[in-house]
Amino acid sequence: LAKTTQPISMDSYEGQEVNITCSHNNIATNDYITWYQQFPSQGPRFIIQGYKTKVTNEVASLFIPADRKSSTLSLPRVSLSDTAVYYCLVGDRGDYKLSFGAGTTVTVRA
Amino acid sequence: DAGITQSPRHKVTETGTPVTLRCHQTENHRYMYWYRQDPGHGLRLIHYSYGVKDTDKGEVSDGYSVSRSKTEDFLLTLESATSSQTSVYFCAISESPTGSSYEQYFGPGTRLTVT
Repeated sequence: LAKTTQPISMDSYEGQEVNITCSHNNIATNDYITWYQQFPSQGPRFIIQGYKTKVTNEVASLFIPADRKSSTLSLPRVSLSDTAVYYCLVGDRGDYKLSFGAGTTVTVRA
Repeated sequence: DAGITQSPRHKVTETGTPVTLRCHQTENHRYMYWYRQDPGHGLRLIHYSYGVKDTDKGEVSDGYSVSRSKTEDFLLTLESATSSQTSVYFCAISESPTGSSYEQYFGPGTRLTVT
């Protein structure tokens, strides 16, 4: 599995856009980029997955540049309830052994 | 939410005793996983299963064993609990990784304290 690097923590305020960048310099051709969100005292939950360019769903957007060596998760207009840990994972869809790492703790303040 | 339950949800046990945690799913997913989560370490994979009676080790498997005798149940056993195994344990399930994504669905977690 490709190694990923993401910031340990980020602070934001309600209504702002939060962008979390994940570096994955040794991403392989068949690898996909997946983000999970974990609220306190809960298990992680899938947010979004992409291979290249941009993916958007009702929760977030994922921007992937052409070289795919990094990706950015964008959370629009965050609220207090978006306070959570966000994990970036990179791997082939055939990989069922995922490495979550420490993630990025996002704290949204009023 | 995916039908995943873990039992017990909380347990306190003494060093040296065996402990078994249970994960039960109603989704008929093929893959099941056990993770532990400790402050500063994120989630680390202990063991996983890719079918009934098919299991393999993850990155932190020492001191743990697993069994899967039927699709819906995946058991994690701490053979002789130690204080270093105090943690929150999460079970997860996923469909075939050859599908549209290898999205994992997580259970509510079990908080284990070894005294």
